Amino acid sequence: GAVVSQHPSRVICKSGTSVKIECRSLDFQATTMFWYRQFPKQSLMLMATSNEGSKATYEQGVEKDKFLINHASLTLSTLTVTSAHPEDSSFYICSARTGGRGTDTQYFGPGTRLTVL
Amino acid sequence: AQKITQTQPGMFVQEKEAVTLDCTYDTSDPSYGLFWYKQPSSGEMIFLIYQGSYDQQNATEGRYSLNFQKARKSANLVISASQLGDSAMYFCAMREGRGTYKYIFGTGTRLKVLA
Repeated sequence: GAVVSQHPSRVICKSGTSVKIECRSLDFQATTMFWYRQFPKQSLMLMATSNEGSKATYEQGVEKDKFLINHASLTLSTLTVTSAHPEDSSFYICSARTGGRGTDTQYFGPGTRLTVL
Repeated sequence: AQKITQTQPGMFVQEKEAVTLDCTYDTSDPSYGLFWYKQPSSGEMIFLIYQGSYDQQNATEGRYSLNFQKARKSANLVISASQLGDSAMYFCAMREGRGTYKYIFGTGTRLKVLA
């Protein structure tokens, strides 16, 4: 159980275009999902926390107009990188919290590698 | 401020031997959770083990155990009987407080298991 999928796994786009990444919890309902960014050989950096039916909470320094997050249902959150530029190239990973009593463990998707030309 | 420190950027271990990956944390909140994740070269983050701050016993999951020393604020991961497939990046993470679900991650330790 606790499987999270992400789509696409890899995307290459031209500078100035927008890219949408989907994150789905496949076998559980996720009231909270998280979006992270990871640069090569570095740790994960939390970008935003996404709660179903409400606006995402962005971490300091993350542009909310640049990285649009929508959590339309208990199993789907999307991250849209608007007007992407080469510096947005990175590995984006989502996670979903199972919630309930216990660990509040986050289960991660397989990640999306974005390359902006 | 909350903080997670992993001081070992890289580690080697011989196959079938045990290895300890270090993690220290800093928090003033009495309620927190500690997690270990494995990230192979494919990039996915695989949950390994969890330790709650109020847990009396060290967590174990198969070949993984967490050496929790609360007074020292350390939560080291012990992998017994290392396998070649254990070669990966390992991250320690902390969730601080109740009602907040955010994690802080350490910088990671790259483990290489030698045949």
